[in-house]
This record gives sequence, structure tokens and C-alpha cells, in this order.
Amino acid sequence: NAGVIQTPRHKVTGKGQEATLWCEPISGHSAVFWYRQTIVQGLEFLTYFRNQAPIDDSGMPKERFSAQMPNQSHSTLKIQSTQPQDSAVYLCASSHWGGSSYEQYFGPGTRLTVL
Amino acid sequence: QQKVQQSPESLSVPEGGMASLNCTSSDRNFQYFWWYRQHSGEGPKALMSIFSDGDKKEGRFTAHLNKASLHVSLHIRDSQPSDSALYFCAARAYGSSGNKLIFGIGTLLSVKP
Repeated sequence: NAGVIQTPRHKVTGKGQEATLWCEPISGHSAVFWYRQTIVQGLEFLTYFRNQAPIDDSGMPKERFSAQMPNQSHSTLKIQSTQPQDSAVYLCASSHWGGSSYEQYFGPGTRLTVL
Repeated sequence: QQKVQQSPESLSVPEGGMASLNCTSSDRNFQYFWWYRQHSGEGPKALMSIFSDGDKKEGRFTAHLNKASLHVSLHIRDSQPSDSALYFCAARAYGSSGNKLIFGIGTLLSVKP
């Protein structure tokens, strides 16, 4: 089991450019989560999917951020017109669904740097 | 205000010592708690969960939950240098809408040889 895979591990963009981050969840997990980690804010929930359907995007910035899960084997987080304040580590996690006892397994994260 | 508060922000203990980390939730919807550990350059990894009042022990790690006060603690006995990491308390709300985790700001633990 390779665990949750995130690519790329590091991404540098110029201000105003687009960034697309990829996540491959653990096979058999039906829930996929996205979080953002910064020194100041810590770990913040962004959005999650169950069986590929969006369930809760309450943590997503209203503009420029979008997430999709076109199939059970990958999810993407897209940031349009990136800004320096978007610089962070973006973490993807997956878990089985149903019941709060299910552990979320995190990937290594993608470090996004916006110049 | 953070819904999950952690203390201390940082902690240094000698090898073999006891490390105690604290977490309090300000939201009574949060009934399920996890402790996660993150080493530098890696994603967080779950250490243990606790959902019932009282103590839960797993090896050198003991978690304690007091649901009335929404206070959770983690105690690490016989601390090792490999325990040096960022520790997060995470809470989950009751019910199907609560599958997301709400994290505290973290406690940076340093275990000195």
C-alpha cells in the first residue's frame, strides 16, 4: 500500500498563474479530504468528497479555489490567479466512510510557493 | 477564536522523560478526538483516537478525555528523540456532517538526548 500520493511535492508559481495539485487516495477509501497548512493558521479544512461527490466545501476560499474528483482514483485542487497568501502546504487525506472512528490517512503534501 | 485550543505551543523534555500535551474544545458538537503527529517534511499521522471518558493507553502513549469539560490530553512516557515532532489535537463533530477534522494549532515537542 503506497499510501496517499500527492504530486507535485513542490510547486513554484508566479503571482497570477494557475496551480493544479493532484491527489491519489488509498485504494478502497471512499472519502477524500483537502487541508491547507501554514505556520500562522495551522491545519485548516478546505473541502471533502464522498464517493466522488462534493460533501462539504465550507473551508474553501470563495474565489479562485476549486476542487474536483472525476474518478475514485484521483482528486485535484485548482487555484486560479495564485496570490502570495496562497503559499502553503496543501495536504490530501483519505479514509473509509461512515462513523467517526475511521482514521484519515494523509499524504506528504504539496508545498506551494507563490512568488 | 480557534475551536480547538492546544497548549503548550512548544515543549522540551529530556530523553526518558514524560511529555504532557493538552487540548480543549470550545464547541460541544465536537465529541470525537484524535491525536496526530507530524514529522518534518511529512504529512500528519494518526497516533490514537479517544471517544469515551477516561484513559486510553497504547504503548508509551496515554490519552485522557473529559467530555464534560471537553478537555483532552496526551501523555508520552519514556520519551525518545524520535518522538520529536509537531503534535496536533483534532476534533470531529457528532453526526454524518462531522467527518472533517478541526485541528488545533499544534504543540512542537523536542526530546533532548
